[in-house]
Amino acid sequence: DSGVTQTPKHLITATGQRVTLRCSPRSGDLSVYWYQQSLDQGLQFLIQYYNGEERAKGNILERFSAQQFPDLHSELNLSSLELGDSALYFCASSVGTGWGTDTQYFGPGTRLTVL
Amino acid sequence: AQSVTQLDSQVPVFEEAPVELRCNYSSSVSVYLFWYVQYPNQGLQLLLKYLSGSTLVKGINGFEAEFNKSQTSFHLRKPSVHISDTAEYFCAVTDTGGFKTIFGAGTRLFVKA
Repeated sequence: DSGVTQTPKHLITATGQRVTLRCSPRSGDLSVYWYQQSLDQGLQFLIQYYNGEERAKGNILERFSAQQFPDLHSELNLSSLELGDSALYFCASSVGTGWGTDTQYFGPGTRLTVL
Repeated sequence: AQSVTQLDSQVPVFEEAPVELRCNYSSSVSVYLFWYVQYPNQGLQLLLKYLSGSTLVKGINGFEAEFNKSQTSFHLRKPSVHISDTAEYFCAVTDTGGFKTIFGAGTRLFVKA
């Protein structure tokens, strides 16, 4: 158990809908990272927040957005869903901001299925 | 920009045999290198990382990797695998001044009895 929790575990929805994925980082961790893992794209970094502020952006679509709240939990919002958005979405957390020096601890993921 | 190539998509091996999972990267700047393991239905777990210093890096579960700058490789090795090592392994790279990590496509290690 990494200490990172993600809800829900599974989500099934229809095209055009909007969903929210939630992540609670490990106690004491200030950074939250979001990743998408799909069969065709592999594992891709989406976005990082550090202590409530956006820190780094990866291959995140404009239809997707995220935020980190004062209690440090984070939400990833996916809107106007398409079939291709079906994937496993991981959240990770780390103590600081360093991509090299900090170890990222991954949650179990949310499996999103868009029908 | 960086890229990562994991040369084998699947590696079947018998229990107690040695294994090497290959990873090549390309980058025009200095990089940090990582290996992660993903067990079925779980998130990723860091096995080991190279930041600087000794090119031989030891990680958890008996794994080690060697950074070879001239060949731009970071191959993962284990001298004797167990059934429990069956998982997907990801090589990843980030440049030392950057903010994001690029992952390889993954290598599925299948350990047979």
